[in-house]
Amino acid sequence: IAGITQAPTSQILAAGRRMTLRCTQDMRHNAMYWYRQDLGLGLRLIHYSNTAGTTGKGEVPDGYSVSRANTDDFPLTLASAVPSQTSVYFCASSDRRTGGYTFGSGTRLTVV
Amino acid sequence: AQRVTQPEKLLSVFKGAPVELKCNYSYSGSPELFWYVQYSRQRLQLLLRHISRESIKGFTADLNKGETSFHLKKPFAQEEDSAMYYCALGDRGSTLGRLYFGRGTQLTVWP
Repeated sequence: IAGITQAPTSQILAAGRRMTLRCTQDMRHNAMYWYRQDLGLGLRLIHYSNTAGTTGKGEVPDGYSVSRANTDDFPLTLASAVPSQTSVYFCASSDRRTGGYTFGSGTRLTVV
Repeated sequence: AQRVTQPEKLLSVFKGAPVELKCNYSYSGSPELFWYVQYSRQRLQLLLRHISRESIKGFTADLNKGETSFHLKKPFAQEEDSAMYYCALGDRGSTLGRLYFGRGTQLTVWP
């Protein structure tokens, strides 16, 4: 089934540890995004990528990094996790020709 | 600057009652508006897109450029409509094509 796969589904992480959230899509969408979802704040863009090989910063990029080595994969890395990064993380992709956006099922991260 | 405002964090109605979830936006160009729905702890799903002008699950939304609004409406709410609803603004004017989200409205439909 075409779509976006995120892993892990959930994770409890000790503060200071490094963590990579994985995101893979099989729709050949050019653009991909990472959002974090926090109660009362909605979804905020962390990083984005227009196409393979390019990335950019969103609204809340500090403490996060991304890479886009190919069209399908867009991993998000927390270099040294802090409790304020406790959130639900959603990966998304879009096809600019149709404007359709597809979301992954999310990763629930708790930093303790 | 682009902005999406959903003034109600929480909205409760009884089954069978009409429901309206408000969304206002600010955007200097030609906006593309969406409504996404998120059922309990699931992924966001596209509910409506203003350019398609279709009705999904009985919901409709009309883009009012004069009032810069894109309110979501349903004449008779059902219990299964209970969910978090996000209004989102697409920025087709940029090369990014990202979405700007409102803070969401949690709809509860009581039996």
